[in-house]
Amino acid sequence: GAGVSQSPSNKVTEKGKDVELRCDPISGHTALYWYRQRLGQGLEFLIYFQGNSAPDKSGLPSDRFSAERTGESVSTLTIQRTQQEDSAVYLCASSAPGHDNSPLHFGNGTRLTVT
Amino acid sequence: AQRVTQPEKLLSVFKGAPVELKCNYSYSGSPELFWYVQYSRQRLQLLLRHISRESIKGFTADLNKGETSFHLKKPFAQEEDSAMYYCALRLSYGQNFVFGPGTRLSVLP
Repeated sequence: GAGVSQSPSNKVTEKGKDVELRCDPISGHTALYWYRQRLGQGLEFLIYFQGNSAPDKSGLPSDRFSAERTGESVSTLTIQRTQQEDSAVYLCASSAPGHDNSPLHFGNGTRLTVT
Repeated sequence: AQRVTQPEKLLSVFKGAPVELKCNYSYSGSPELFWYVQYSRQRLQLLLRHISRESIKGFTADLNKGETSFHLKKPFAQEEDSAMYYCALRLSYGQNFVFGPGTRLSVLP
């Protein structure tokens, strides 16, 4: 079946512009996660959704970052007034409900470059 | 705060040699531990999880609560094992996964 899908796969934007990154999780997965991976570094947690609510948004680096999820499905990560330090690969992952130790299933990521 | 450490950023071994990728965590309870792998030009994917006590692609990992470690081992490394490996911790169902910084394994011919 289809895995986690992210779009666009690549995004180049000018500093100061807003960007929207999209994630389509695996159908039926109620948990959805956003991570950021800067070049040569590990995964940095941003936000996690259970259904349409976000019980943990502690990783969002500033108020320029926001995310929403609708219909317990698609999620959008929005970065306003982008800065060069926002350049990174943004990864989305989802996991199945009701299963202990359910692992994360990752998308291919969106590579964001802020010039 | 819960943390996952992977002390080696890069690990190089020769084909056929044993390999151990270290992972330590800080959490006083009973966490769920995972190893994820990212091969070149592929998405991050689950390799194995401690609860399953399984061997995947010849890799095993044992949770040592006394040492708070979950090291990944393989007795004979293969060139196709070259990849980026991440250790991850989840506190309980539905909560955030905390990832280590990753170890790049390079298996030399």
